[in-house]
Amino acid sequence: SQQGEEDPQALSIQEGENATMNCSYKTSINNLQWYRQNSGRGLVHLILIRSNEREKHSGRLRVTLDTSKKSSSLLITASRAADTASYFCATVVDTGFQKLVFGTGTRLLVSP
Amino acid sequence: ETGVTQTPRHLVMGMTNKKSLKCEQHLGHNAMYWYKQSAKKPLELMFVYSLEERVENNSVPSRFSPECPNSSHLFLHLHTLQPEDSALYLCASSQMVGSNQPQHFGDGTRLSIL
Repeated sequence: SQQGEEDPQALSIQEGENATMNCSYKTSINNLQWYRQNSGRGLVHLILIRSNEREKHSGRLRVTLDTSKKSSSLLITASRAADTASYFCATVVDTGFQKLVFGTGTRLLVSP
Repeated sequence: ETGVTQTPRHLVMGMTNKKSLKCEQHLGHNAMYWYKQSAKKPLELMFVYSLEERVENNSVPSRFSPECPNSSHLFLHLHTLQPEDSALYLCASSQMVGSNQPQHFGDGTRLSIL
């Protein structure tokens, strides 16, 4: 089944640096969503980008989508220690019912 | 506070026990979901309810039994579980079922099977 694959699996940076995470998927999509999960907590929706959009911004987040390459990237600018979390992309699979399929995530560690 | 509350946060049970996980959403949403999150695996969708009707059962073993008595509450009844069922069980809700709907998650129940 279709699945988002995040890259890298883990990323370690210093505060103030930018963090870029990538997601690749296999089939056509309506939209792609990014979520964040802090340790021991549930997932939090960050941003949704539609298939006819190429770029979207939300605060320090910038998401790009390249449907020809079936890939998306999430950029966090001027990272903070509080950005330490796992980040997941999710795509929609239509099996007669549209459901989100998540990747295995990128673990981001931002050191002070 | 995400508006989705799960209880208990942690649960340890033996393979012969029967227990239930509870989820409550205060967002006025019409769709609710159960997911299983195991280490180093993608999040697995288990069940989906829309307006209290089950619309998706993702080939989940019968030892997991969901119940949705109303649009605000969702339960997952557990019996005769196996060690491989140890995982974080996440509940989520959305305004309605559909691909353009962001999902709101609870903080999960960490389940350990002895």
